[in-house]
Amino acid sequence: DTAVSQTPKYLVTQMGNDKSIKCEQNLGHDTMYWYKQDSKKFLKIMFSYNNKELIINETVPNRFSPKSPDKAHLNLHINSLELGDSAVYFCASSGDRRHYTFGSGTRLTVV
Amino acid sequence: GENVEQHPSTLSVQEGDSAVIKCTYSDSASNYFPWYKQELGKGPQLIIDIRSNVGEKKDQRIAVTLNKTAKHFSLHITETQPEDSAVYFCAAIFYGNNRLAFGKGNQVVVIP
Repeated sequence: DTAVSQTPKYLVTQMGNDKSIKCEQNLGHDTMYWYKQDSKKFLKIMFSYNNKELIINETVPNRFSPKSPDKAHLNLHINSLELGDSAVYFCASSGDRRHYTFGSGTRLTVV
Repeated sequence: GENVEQHPSTLSVQEGDSAVIKCTYSDSASNYFPWYKQELGKGPQLIIDIRSNVGEKKDQRIAVTLNKTAKHFSLHITETQPEDSAVYFCAAIFYGNNRLAFGKGNQVVVIP
């Protein structure tokens, strides 16, 4: 069983489109995260939810909107996609906000 | 502010040799320091961690050392193997916001 699963694994889309990435964890963790990894491998926190409540909201364009329908799911919706949004997006979860379990990533390519 | 510096950015070693990656952090109140390994096409995976009340921790071929006075910690990989080739991230928990801050990553290449 995959602990943190993201879909889709690859996403190629045109500029201006709206897309969503889904994340689900079956670890029973209370906290979930979205990270963006750029071409230089730098991991940048975007959002964090604890029990469906937003606790971290970094300086991210408001075109990015996270949604947590329950504590096992944290989805990321992106409006009006831009070339600079191309990156690998990682979802992660944690039960104690110290030990993180990451998903396998979603490679987003905006053309 | 919170800051974790990681160096060198790229490290190449011959198979069987040792590899050492060093990180420094800014917040003296940090008390937890994990290391993550990211293989190609996968997400980062926790491989070892250390708390501030311990100076060294080992797990088979990997070890982490912590120097709280100097505010730096290091990952040591002995008898490197090709499967050790990956990007390694250090991180630190910052006491003020209980947030995990990652270093910029280090590409380790083990040459057979």
